Amino acid sequence: AQSVTQPDIHITVSEGASLELRCNYSYGATPYLFWYVQSPGQGLQLLLKYFSGDTLVQGIKGFEAEFKRSQSSFNLRKPSVHWSDAAEYFCAVYSMGGGSNYKLTFGKGTLLTVNP
Amino acid sequence: NAGVTQTPKFRVLKTGQSMTLLCAQDMNHEYMYWYRQDPGMGLRLIHYSVGEGTTAKGEVPDGYNVSRLKKQNFLLGLESAAPSQTSVYFCASRVIQVGNYGYTFGSGTRLTVV
Repeated sequence: AQSVTQPDIHITVSEGASLELRCNYSYGATPYLFWYVQSPGQGLQLLLKYFSGDTLVQGIKGFEAEFKRSQSSFNLRKPSVHWSDAAEYFCAVYSMGGGSNYKLTFGKGTLLTVNP
Repeated sequence: NAGVTQTPKFRVLKTGQSMTLLCAQDMNHEYMYWYRQDPGMGLRLIHYSVGEGTTAKGEVPDGYNVSRLKKQNFLLGLESAAPSQTSVYFCASRVIQVGNYGYTFGSGTRLTVV
């Protein structure tokens, strides 16, 4: 069965610093990968997605992620963090077959705190 | 605005009471999902539907029932609420389109069972 691991439960960075949030997945076929962001009390907003092609994908709000098949990773990055980026971030993999058709499996999330 | 609408946004139930959460989408999406979100657990799939009149179990279906009588609506029912069902519930939908697997999420329902 597919799974997603986000090793960091909580990360704190200073405003203006660079950011990398880690995501590792387990899936037997070609993965469809996503990053979502959730601000406090809000629903989930799609940041970016990877289906195929260029392994470096650009998203909204200045985020990017790189798919590395050899490492089963899909890490999220941002060169310079803004205070408004403080939120919880979820990595997810979409499964297509077996007993887990048509659904997203989420990691447990990484909470980002931004210090002024 | 087009999207996924969940009602109610907040609810407090007593143990043993029943209730229904409504999810409505106006994007003509085929697939709809109910997730629950608990601290440190991420989102876990409760039930999902791949079309009108069809439903299937997710990873945590016990204690919940669902119905998809109309394409635009996906109802989540709790027949006898338990404190363990205190959670934030999210509905999501997506279109059937090869290569487009992104979900649109509702804003959530915060349920407390006392």
